[in-house]
Amino acid sequence: AQKITQTQPGMFVQEKEAVTLDCTYDTSDQSYGLFWYKQPSSGEMIFLIYQGSYDEQNATEGRYSLNFQKARKSANLVISASQLGDSAMYFCAMREGGAGGFKTIFGAGTRLFVKA
Amino acid sequence: DAGVIQSPRHEVTEMGQEVTLRCKPISGHDYLFWYRQTMMRGLELLIYFNNNVPIDDSGMPEDRFSAKMPNASFSTLKIQPSEPRDSAVYFCASSRGRPNTGELFFGEGSRLTVL
Repeated sequence: AQKITQTQPGMFVQEKEAVTLDCTYDTSDQSYGLFWYKQPSSGEMIFLIYQGSYDEQNATEGRYSLNFQKARKSANLVISASQLGDSAMYFCAMREGGAGGFKTIFGAGTRLFVKA
Repeated sequence: DAGVIQSPRHEVTEMGQEVTLRCKPISGHDYLFWYRQTMMRGLELLIYFNNNVPIDDSGMPEDRFSAKMPNASFSTLKIQPSEPRDSAVYFCASSRGRPNTGELFFGEGSRLTVL
């Protein structure tokens, strides 16, 4: 069965430093997609980055990069040069790509605190 | 372009009452998802539709919950009768199908409080 695990309930990082948020997944599909979303205290869900299972290069979007290790089934989010505005909840998500369509499930989330 | 629109934003009701949450997806998106977010259970997928057809409703908690998508621009999630444990934020999201990535576009959520 499809499963996403985020083992860090909370993380602290000093402003301007880099931080890695962990995510592991489990799926029997060969084709799938991995996502990270940010949820600030205001509650909206913001898409950050996407990695396809067949993508050979790690995805990058500005200060966000996804460290994709397929054999280990991990998709860690790296935020470089942390800013105070990065303080938020971060969710890892997986979309399976088989006959089941676009079912997308989320991990439990990691709350990131950026210290000045 | 307008994003995903949900209503109401906030709903306070008493146990036993019927609750209807509404969602208008982004035009052209052929997938629609309903999620429930609570502190204890995180973001749970309740049901999702493809081209207005329910594909997977295995996350619907029980028979008190039902969801419909009568056309491509409207979906409802109904709880009847409501219970205090249904208190949560309910998100609707939509996405494009293949060959797109499946990135979800979320509404602002409907915060439900059942007294």
